[in-house]
Amino acid sequence: GAGVSQSPSNKVTEKGKDVELRCDPISGHTALYWYRQSLGQGLEFLIYFQGNSAPDKSGLPSDRFSAERTGGSVSTLTIQRTQQEDSAVYLCASSLSSRRFTDTQYFGPGTRLTVL
Amino acid sequence: KQEVTQIPAALSVPEGENLVLNCSFTDSAIYNLQWFRQDPGKGLTSLLLIQSSQREQTSGRLNASLDKSSGRSTLYIAASQPGDSATYLCAVRGHIRGSEKLVFGKGTKLTVNP
Repeated sequence: GAGVSQSPSNKVTEKGKDVELRCDPISGHTALYWYRQSLGQGLEFLIYFQGNSAPDKSGLPSDRFSAERTGGSVSTLTIQRTQQEDSAVYLCASSLSSRRFTDTQYFGPGTRLTVL
Repeated sequence: KQEVTQIPAALSVPEGENLVLNCSFTDSAIYNLQWFRQDPGKGLTSLLLIQSSQREQTSGRLNASLDKSSGRSTLYIAASQPGDSATYLCAVRGHIRGSEKLVFGKGTKLTVNP
């Protein structure tokens, strides 16, 4: 079946512009996660959604970052007034449920963001 | 705050060799530990998931062990092949509400030479 998809695969933008990154989780998965992988850094958690519960935003690095999940499916990560330090690969993952601790997280291919 | 460390950062071996990748974590209160593989320009592929109550998991030539009390896990790869070349990531998941996220190590970059 279809896995997690992300778009665009690559995004180049100018400093100060806003960008939107999209994630389509696996159908039926209620949990959705966003992570960021910067050069030389490990993956760091940004935000996660579980069903209709309030999202866990504890990993968002600043108020320029926000995310929403419409209809419990597709999610959009928005970065406002981009800075060069925002350059990274943004990875999305989904799982059947975050409340079932046996559930594996399945990752998309990522969006490579470059801020000039 | 949970921290995950992977040693070595890079490893180069000849084809056919057996090898061990190491992962350590600072907070033993975890629900599970996962090993992932990441190929250049690609997302992550889950290899093995070990629940906190388990000691090891096996899949083909891969065997992962977990010693929760000492905060350590190893990934054993038998009879390595060039196709195993990739970055291997270890991640742990917390057990309290609000810690459903994965905390990752920085990975071990493996190169298997033909």
